[in-house]
Amino acid sequence: NAGVTQTPKFRILKIGQSMTLQCTQDMNHNYMYWYRQDPGMGLKLIYYSVGAGITDKGEVPNGYNVSRSTTEDFPLRLELAAPSQTSVYFCASSYSVGAGANVLTFGAGSRLTVL
Amino acid sequence: GENVEQHPSTLSVQEGDSAVIKCTYSDSASNYFPWYKQELGKRPQLIIDIRSNVGEKKDQRIAVTLNKTAKHFSLHITETQPEDSAVYFCAATAYSSASKIIFGSGTRLSIRP
Repeated sequence: NAGVTQTPKFRILKIGQSMTLQCTQDMNHNYMYWYRQDPGMGLKLIYYSVGAGITDKGEVPNGYNVSRSTTEDFPLRLELAAPSQTSVYFCASSYSVGAGANVLTFGAGSRLTVL
Repeated sequence: GENVEQHPSTLSVQEGDSAVIKCTYSDSASNYFPWYKQELGKRPQLIIDIRSNVGEKKDQRIAVTLNKTAKHFSLHITETQPEDSAVYFCAATAYSSASKIIFGSGTRLSIRP
């Protein structure tokens, strides 16, 4: 049981390039999330998904796209990378502990630098 | 949607003393309040949570209290130790929007030896 696996762990992009951050979970969780964490700052929700085929915007969705074709995978696409997207990206999945409460399991993070 | 404010942003306490971090929320329908701890260079992990039908919950040296009337909840750490140094995040979710988990801005706790 690997939990939440993110790839790559590190990546340097040039301005204007595109890339996809991969996220997969093997816990059969319905809910999945992408957060970004700028240096010394908090966790900002980019996109989330409540199940295969369903995605929704979070707090900071601009410049990103997601898809959820399977329960296991939730890739995050960056189009036309900008320096403002330099951050650590965390993927997470969650399970319900009842009454709508969801406990998040995070991946190890992907550190992206845009130069 | 829900808005969670967290204070203070940084906190430094002497080892052995207590630390308190406070969060306020805006949605009166919120019913679940988790706290996550993120050690330096690591991923966030759940350390304690509380539901709206409970006023206080303890787990060894950590406790969380909830005041629904005032719409605020707090994390209490007693007898602080060096390993308590980390960033702590709170969140508040309502049943109707339980999947959209938005965090407070975080508190960086430093324990002085």
